[in-house]
Amino acid sequence: AQTVTQSQPEMSVQEAETVTLSCTYDTSESDYYLFWYKQPPSRQMILVIRQEAYKQQNATENRFSVNFQKAAKSFSLKISDSQLGDAAMYFCAYRRSPGAQKLVFGQGTRLTINP
Amino acid sequence: GAGVSQSPRYKVAKRGQDVALRCDPISGHVSLFWYQQALGQGPEFLTYFQNEAQLDKSGLPSDRFFAERPEGSVSTLKIQRTQQEDSAVYLCASSFWGQGPEQFFGPGTRLTVL
Repeated sequence: AQTVTQSQPEMSVQEAETVTLSCTYDTSESDYYLFWYKQPPSRQMILVIRQEAYKQQNATENRFSVNFQKAAKSFSLKISDSQLGDAAMYFCAYRRSPGAQKLVFGQGTRLTINP
Repeated sequence: GAGVSQSPRYKVAKRGQDVALRCDPISGHVSLFWYQQALGQGPEFLTYFQNEAQLDKSGLPSDRFFAERPEGSVSTLKIQRTQQEDSAVYLCASSFWGQGPEQFFGPGTRLTVL
């Protein structure tokens, strides 16, 4: 069975600084997707960024980027120029491909932004 | 609607009561998922529908949990004889493969069993 591990229960960063959240996963599949979701106190899960396993290039979305190391099964999220609105729980998630497949989530990292 | 909606947002039940949680997916989304999120934890998969067919219910924790999607749109998650350990946030998500692999989540229903 696939598992996702986030080893940092909490992280904090100064506003405008850069922070990296860690995620490792375990799978025997070769084709899959990885995601970072953000969950603010409102509970709405919001997709931050996704990565296809077959792509070597790391995904980037504005201030958010990932470091995808397939061999090491590592998928970290870097947030640049942190903003107060980035404060939330962040979940790393994995799903197999192809077709509709369930998401397997990590335990989450609570990110605090210090003004 | 523009996004996934869930109702009610909050539900308080006495132990032993039955509850029904509703999910309205994004229009046209074929796939619908239910997840359970305990306090301070990541969501865990409960069940999955493709249209009206329930293709995977391996995550349902007991036979007290039942889900349906009779017309392939709205889905209901029913919990019979609720127990305190059922207290959690129940998240619904929908997706459409032609729009990419990501799932779009609703705001969740927070269930508290007293």
